[in-house]
Amino acid sequence: AQSVAQPEDQVNVAEGNPLTVKCTYSVSGNPYLFWYVQYPNRGLQFLLKYITGDNLVKGSYGFEAEFNKSQTSFHLKKPSALVSDSALYFCAVRDKASRGSTLGRLYFGRGTQLTVWP
Amino acid sequence: DVKVTQSSRYLVKRTGEKVFLECVQDMDHENMFWYRQDPGLGLRLIYFSYDVKMKEKGDIPEGYSVSREKKERFSLILESASTNQTSMYLCASSLGGPGGRAGELFFGEGSRLTVL
Repeated sequence: AQSVAQPEDQVNVAEGNPLTVKCTYSVSGNPYLFWYVQYPNRGLQFLLKYITGDNLVKGSYGFEAEFNKSQTSFHLKKPSALVSDSALYFCAVRDKASRGSTLGRLYFGRGTQLTVWP
Repeated sequence: DVKVTQSSRYLVKRTGEKVFLECVQDMDHENMFWYRQDPGLGLRLIYFSYDVKMKEKGDIPEGYSVSREKKERFSLILESASTNQTSMYLCASSLGGPGGRAGELFFGEGSRLTVL
């Protein structure tokens, strides 16, 4: 079975401070991992992904995420938060070994609301 | 610019009505998805389709059906709407195949359905 856990419903951080949004996953094989962001009253947008190779991946808007296989984690980070980063963030996973009709399916976490205050 | 368009941003329907939610993508994607989003529950997959006329149940298919007669269009149907189907509905599409690109979903703006 594939699943994702986002242990924090909310993360609050001051502008200019580093931020971390946590994600852990469970797959039977090797994972593809993704982060998506949802701004208020909008659909989700792809932010970044881990496929293979370097454990630190960089994405849009200055975000990055670190894949840690031993801890089965894929935490989202940003060195200096902006008020405009305030949004709902979703982590998602897909097993690389997925085949057949389930090939394209992602499993999402419940989301973490990030609030950056001025 | 790539685009996933959902036909209605806001709908208000009465219990028992039949509801159609339409989604069109212009990226020639093989995969299309319907999710519902509820506070505290995240995204839950209702149905997805990996090819024309093909469909797979997601986690919460009860009370819903789907139709994919053309590659670019994926419709969600509520045969008899109920109040517990009041929610935000999100359509998404992605490339097919085994690679990581298949996980890059493109979402529509969402359709907020209220059932009275």
